[in-house]
This record gives sequence, C-alpha cells and structure tokens, in this order.
Amino acid sequence: QKEVEQNSGPLSVPEGAIASLNCTYSDRGSQSFFWYRQYSGKSPELIMFIYSNGDKEDGRFTAQLNKASQYVSLLIRDSQPSDSATYLCAVLPGRQLTFGSGTQLTVLP
Amino acid sequence: DAGVIQSPRHEVTEMGQEVTLRCKPISGHNSLFWYRQTMMRGLELLIYFNNNVPIDDSGMPEDRFSAKMPNASFSTLKIQPSEPRDSAVYFCASSLTGNEQFFGPGTRLTVL
Repeated sequence: QKEVEQNSGPLSVPEGAIASLNCTYSDRGSQSFFWYRQYSGKSPELIMFIYSNGDKEDGRFTAQLNKASQYVSLLIRDSQPSDSATYLCAVLPGRQLTFGSGTQLTVLP
Repeated sequence: DAGVIQSPRHEVTEMGQEVTLRCKPISGHNSLFWYRQTMMRGLELLIYFNNNVPIDDSGMPEDRFSAKMPNASFSTLKIQPSEPRDSAVYFCASSLTGNEQFFGPGTRLTVL
C-alpha cells in the first residue's frame, strides 16, 4: 500500500462546477497535510495546507481533513479553465513530506 | 523576494559524464530539499538538509549521487557517472518551518 494515494484521474469538470480531489494516507501519526498544484512543465506550487480536522477555506479552495478516516480532500468551487493542472497531495508523517502521485484535473470551458 | 533559484534549467549530457545541479534557496530558509520527478515514480525526495547539515539521504538512489550544502545559500546535487535512467526533472525546494516547502523551477536532465 502506498503511503499517500490519490485517484490519478484524469478528472474533468465543466467550468463553474465544483471539482473534488481526494487523498488517503496510511500513517496515522501524520500531522500536516498539503495540496500542491503543478501546471504542465512547471514546478509544484503550494496552494493549501491544513493541520486540524475539519474544513479550511481560502478563496475558491477548501481543504477538508478527517484524521479518523485518514482522508484529506480539496474542493475547488467555480472551477476555471486556469485550474486545469495536476494536484499533488502531500503528507508529513515524520520529518519529510510524502507526495501522492497526483490527480490531473481538466476544467472544460 | 526571489524564489528558489536552480541552474541549469536544462541539461543534456552523455552517459558517463558528470552532472552538477545547483540550487539557491530562499533567503532565511533553513531547510533545503532535493527531489526527482519522473512519470513512472512521481515526485521522490532524494535528500534534505537542515541548517546546512544533511539529515536524511535515504532517498539517494545510489553512490553515483551526492549532495552538498557548503553554506546557507547554496547547494549542489552531483551525479557521477550519469546514466540514461537518471533522466528526470530535479527540483530543489526550501522551507523555513520544514513543513511548507517552496519549489524552484527545476532542472530537466536528459542523459543520452
């Protein structure tokens, strides 16, 4: 079992819809959780982090964390074509980040 | 403020040659990370430094890879000798807290 698992997609949503990206992790001791966005040919860019159970909102982005279920998600409201990218979930189980393989999102105009 | 700076941005070399990748972290950040990204294996941590000291190099694939951080503003990743399977994008990232990491633009390495 991979330490951090994501649905590789691709995930396609129409413009204006809500995109939901999911991630599960295996280490129950993990304390910090991150979402990175990576455009094709570019470097990963940190867009959200969450440390506590519940929801954290930042603009059109909402990160959700459920430690009991070992599950973290990212919701993108009012999706735009510019949101089309690969989204990487990263978990800090100890001293270093462990990344999932990423979910490719396409927002269709 | 300038972000993480990496050079070169692209490197094409022949098998057996030495390759040196360079990184300048964000000023004031005390942790530096080297990653490798391929389609097959995704983003893998190779090594990370804290206050210029290597903390965990368990991700370094083999002895052909070495990394140094002689001071707080500079790090190198060296591959000697290089092999075609080393072809990948190599990212350097830095962090103030060790948690939130900021990535450089990457070096795309092609070994022929």
